[in-house]
Amino acid sequence: KNEVEQSPQNLTAQEGEFITINCSYSVGISALHWLQQHPGGGIVSLFMLSSGKKKHGRLIATINIQEKHSSLHITASHPRDSAVYICAVTAGTYKYIFGTGTRLKVLA
Amino acid sequence: EAGVAQSPRYKIIEKRQSVAFWCNPISGHATLYWYQQILGQGPKLLIQFQNNGVVDDSQLPKDRFSAERLKGVDSTLKIQPAKLEDSAVYLCASSLSIGLRRANEKLFFGSGTQLSVL
Repeated sequence: KNEVEQSPQNLTAQEGEFITINCSYSVGISALHWLQQHPGGGIVSLFMLSSGKKKHGRLIATINIQEKHSSLHITASHPRDSAVYICAVTAGTYKYIFGTGTRLKVLA
Repeated sequence: EAGVAQSPRYKIIEKRQSVAFWCNPISGHATLYWYQQILGQGPKLLIQFQNNGVVDDSQLPKDRFSAERLKGVDSTLKIQPAKLEDSAVYLCASSLSIGLRRANEKLFFGSGTQLSVL
């Protein structure tokens, strides 16, 4: 069993829909990261959080430390949001442990 | 601020050939990472450098993969000879502090090199 699990693995939505991607982890963490990867490979950091909730534009990330669970929400989704969203945690060794990603496709 | 630079962006080779990837991290970043990302999977750490020393290379297939970071700045990753299962995106990343010691430390990724082994 992976230490970081994401669901769903694949997600197709219509433009304008509210999207939720979930991440569960089984290790003690110092921080949880949401990353975005567009076709071609480059990864950019969206959020880094250790408690509560963060918002940036149409993106909202929440974390529940007790339940070891985080969610990434996208409001009013747009085709340009199509990407792979990766959840990663930094644990005691301060190394990144990555989930396998959620492939999101938003249709116009 | 310039980001992490990687080259080439794409490479197609035949099995048993050799290939090399180059990475220039963000200026001043002490730690450099090479990750392998196979299609449908999350990135897997191959090697981590702290300045010009190796911190972790436990998942590097040392019979065919090698990496160096001369002068603690840019780095090269080499595969010799390549196998079909090496087809993947190779990502370079860097971080400011040594080993992500601060809990709020971020990794900065390059655009990756997409390798296809035929």
